[in-house]
Amino acid sequence: DGGITQSPKYLFRKEGQNVTLSCEQNLNHDAMYWYRQDPGQGLRLIYYSQIVNDFQKGDIAEGYSVSREKKESFPLTVTSAQKNPTAFYLCASLSGVDVNTEAFFGQGTRLTVV
Amino acid sequence: GNSVTQMEGPVTLSEEAFLTINCTYTATGYPSLFWYVQYPGEGLQLLLKATKADDKGSNKGFEATYRKETTSFHLEKGSVQVSDSAVYFCALSDGGYNKLIFGAGTRLAVHP
Repeated sequence: DGGITQSPKYLFRKEGQNVTLSCEQNLNHDAMYWYRQDPGQGLRLIYYSQIVNDFQKGDIAEGYSVSREKKESFPLTVTSAQKNPTAFYLCASLSGVDVNTEAFFGQGTRLTVV
Repeated sequence: GNSVTQMEGPVTLSEEAFLTINCTYTATGYPSLFWYVQYPGEGLQLLLKATKADDKGSNKGFEATYRKETTSFHLEKGSVQVSDSAVYFCALSDGGYNKLIFGAGTRLAVHP
């Protein structure tokens, strides 16, 4: 079955550490996204990528980095510069830019600073 | 800019009650409108969508009608079940890679 796989489901980070969240899709979608979700809040866009080897900052990119070396993969690194990283992170993809296109989401990664 | 506003939650209902979750939007063009659902600990899933004015999206007993005159896309269900307990997100898209806008989400809790 086609879909988006995020791993790990739970991740713990120590102060000052960088951690990388994985996102893989086999939907052959061009566009991929990373969102952050905090309790009781909506989704905030961190980074998105329209095509391999290209990506753009979203609304809250500071303290995060991404790469897009393959169409299927869009990993997110939470760096030590992100002062409040505890949150639920969601990866999504879109097949195109048509206004009717729906987004597909992974199951999410819950990151906790310990 | 484009935006989506949802009613604040949580919404708490008894099983078989009628559900309405309000959603209004602001957009400069002719967006498509979506409702996504998020079950505890999971990602979002598309629940239904409508692509033009007066369209009605429906799925699993949920319905929403695209009302351009009131810029609204309210979610309704005639008889909720405990299994409907989740967070519901209203969203709009007017095309392009960076044009999917989500509301803040509304938590629904249904009790037996």
